Amino acid sequence: SQQGEEDPQALSIQEGENATMNCSYKTSINNLQWYRQNSGRGLVHLILIRSNEREKHSGRLRVTLDTSKKSSSLLITASRAADTASYFCATDAVLTGGGNKLTFGTGTQLKVEL
Amino acid sequence: ETGVTQTPRHLVMGMTNKKSLKCEQHLGHNAMYWYKQSAKKPLELMFVYNFKEQTENNSVPSRFSPECPNSSHLFLHLHTLQPEDSALYLCASSPFRDPPGELFFGEGSRLTVL
Repeated sequence: SQQGEEDPQALSIQEGENATMNCSYKTSINNLQWYRQNSGRGLVHLILIRSNEREKHSGRLRVTLDTSKKSSSLLITASRAADTASYFCATDAVLTGGGNKLTFGTGTQLKVEL
Repeated sequence: ETGVTQTPRHLVMGMTNKKSLKCEQHLGHNAMYWYKQSAKKPLELMFVYNFKEQTENNSVPSRFSPECPNSSHLFLHLHTLQPEDSALYLCASSPFRDPPGELFFGEGSRLTVL
């Protein structure tokens, strides 16, 4: 399996509900990032949480990081139809030979229905 | 608008054609990346350039040839591609290679190989 794996693969909710996506990873990381991708478009950075942080907020986004469980969650509160997109976590790990490696998961497809 | 521009947005080519994808960033970043995004797969890092020097080649077939003439421009030259190379090719940049921090992505070039 991948360094970063999102769960669930797909999520369908009603507008106004909260959406929670999870990401699990395997190795120690410097930070974990969440990105959003609208269909057929590029990825847009949402939020970065460092390994020494446990929770971070940005507008309607709340990200948590549990390094002991090697997992993170992204919560979108009061979802809107415009939040419909794919969401990816990306882990920044230090390589044993030096340098960093940013690894993306397969993403969670979120659909917010009116 | 992320400051990273990719052209063309769509490209259809035969297996014997030669074409190029172009990426330009206006952010003053030093690191540039090529990613391949295929359906149901995680983003695959193809190449990394740092200060115009290639620092990573993830075992990419030689039919893909990158070129980085300066820190603002990145090309991906395509030659004798296979149908399985059809994918969305994403260019990204970051201020530094290590650690990369937030990546800024272009909108991608959708490639179809017939």
